[in-house]
Amino acid sequence: DAKTTQPNSMESNEEEPVHLPCNHSTISGTDYIHWYRQLPSQGPEYVIHGLTSNVNNRMASLAIAEDRKSSTLILHRATLRDAAVYYCILSYNQAGTALIFGKGTTLSVSS
Amino acid sequence: NAGVTQTPKFQVLKTGQSMTLQCAQDMNHNSMYWYRQDPGMGLRLIYYSASEGTTDKGEVPNGYNVSRLNKREFSLRLESAAPSQTSVYFCASSEAYRAGRWGYTFGSGTRLTVV
Repeated sequence: DAKTTQPNSMESNEEEPVHLPCNHSTISGTDYIHWYRQLPSQGPEYVIHGLTSNVNNRMASLAIAEDRKSSTLILHRATLRDAAVYYCILSYNQAGTALIFGKGTTLSVSS
Repeated sequence: NAGVTQTPKFQVLKTGQSMTLQCAQDMNHNSMYWYRQDPGMGLRLIYYSASEGTTDKGEVPNGYNVSRLNKREFSLRLESAAPSQTSVYFCASSEAYRAGRWGYTFGSGTRLTVV
């Protein structure tokens, strides 16, 4: 299954854009790229997902490299509430029916 | 608000006791999942139900059983709790099981301590 590589931690300042990178060099043609985040003491929260084209929603943007071997989650203006662990996920269980989470990137936001 | 509801939120069990964690979703999703999260770790898949009437093992199924009671409800049972099962348990649902096409909605979790 496709593996992802994310930095363990990143720091940002409030109201500045944040670019969270994810490398996935073994991605297959049918793998969707998912991003979730988990605030302290809460369940994971869906952020965004995409297959080939860049995606935007009210929370973030997902920029996918043309060769799909990397992607970047973009938070346009970080707030203190965006401090969380961000998971980039491509892995599935053997049957291809459930997401497998890695360790993610811990994002700190300073005021 | 629509979403995934888990009960209880907190539970302390003695070693050897049994209990059932309840999960219900009101989004008419077909697929449901149980994950556990240990301190400082990512989530690990315990069991999942691709559709009503089916259940399958995930990465760490030992010591657990599940029941997909109906389309809305998916319960996780610990028959004989062990300290190694101390964890936070998350239930999730998605529109369908095809890996990746749909996002997951998670519940707020059940914090379980086995002493």
